Amino acid sequence: EAQVTQNPRYLITVTGKKLTVTCSQNMNHEYMSWYRQDPGRGLRQIYYSMNVEVTDKGDVPEGYKVSRKEKRNFPLILESPSPNQTSLYFCASSWTDQETQYFGPGTRLLVL
Amino acid sequence: GENVEQHPSTLSVQEGDSAVIKCTYSDSASNYFPWYKQELGKGPQLIIDIRSNVGEKKDQRIAVTLNKTAKHFSLHITETQPEDSAVYFCATANQAGTALIFGKGTTLSVSS
Repeated sequence: EAQVTQNPRYLITVTGKKLTVTCSQNMNHEYMSWYRQDPGRGLRQIYYSMNVEVTDKGDVPEGYKVSRKEKRNFPLILESPSPNQTSLYFCASSWTDQETQYFGPGTRLLVL
Repeated sequence: GENVEQHPSTLSVQEGDSAVIKCTYSDSASNYFPWYKQELGKGPQLIIDIRSNVGEKKDQRIAVTLNKTAKHFSLHITETQPEDSAVYFCATANQAGTALIFGKGTTLSVSS
């Protein structure tokens, strides 16, 4: 089954404790992206990757890092989480940025 | 940068009625306009998209219209059913063509 998986689905952590949210897709897509979703603000892009070893900042990259060492994986790293990073995070993949984006199920993060 | 305005933010209809959601965008160079549906607890899923070389596209009860001159596009759902209840997002590509910019979403409630 074609899908995007994210782990963990739910995470509660404390300020400053490094965490990684994993994202994996099995569709051989070149384009992958991370979004955060906050009430009343829609989906905002954090980082994207056009292909392996090619990543770039989206609209809200501060406080986040990503890597794309393999085509299928695109982890999101919060090296020193802060409460304002409490949000619902989605990973997505597609052939290009202007094709259908397939979203993962989301990761709900609470930073205390 | 590209900006997408979406209205209304909430929409309540009776089962069987039609629902219309409208979006306006700022970049006249935009040429890809997808609509996503997000059900509770899930990631957004593409329901229909349109490119700038056509003015209207239909898929069963769902249609999208595009007016490039006025820079707006709309989602039309006919014969609404309770399972249409969800949050709907419009989107378009940013100026660099590297990402989708999403509207803030419309919460559609269909009551039976």
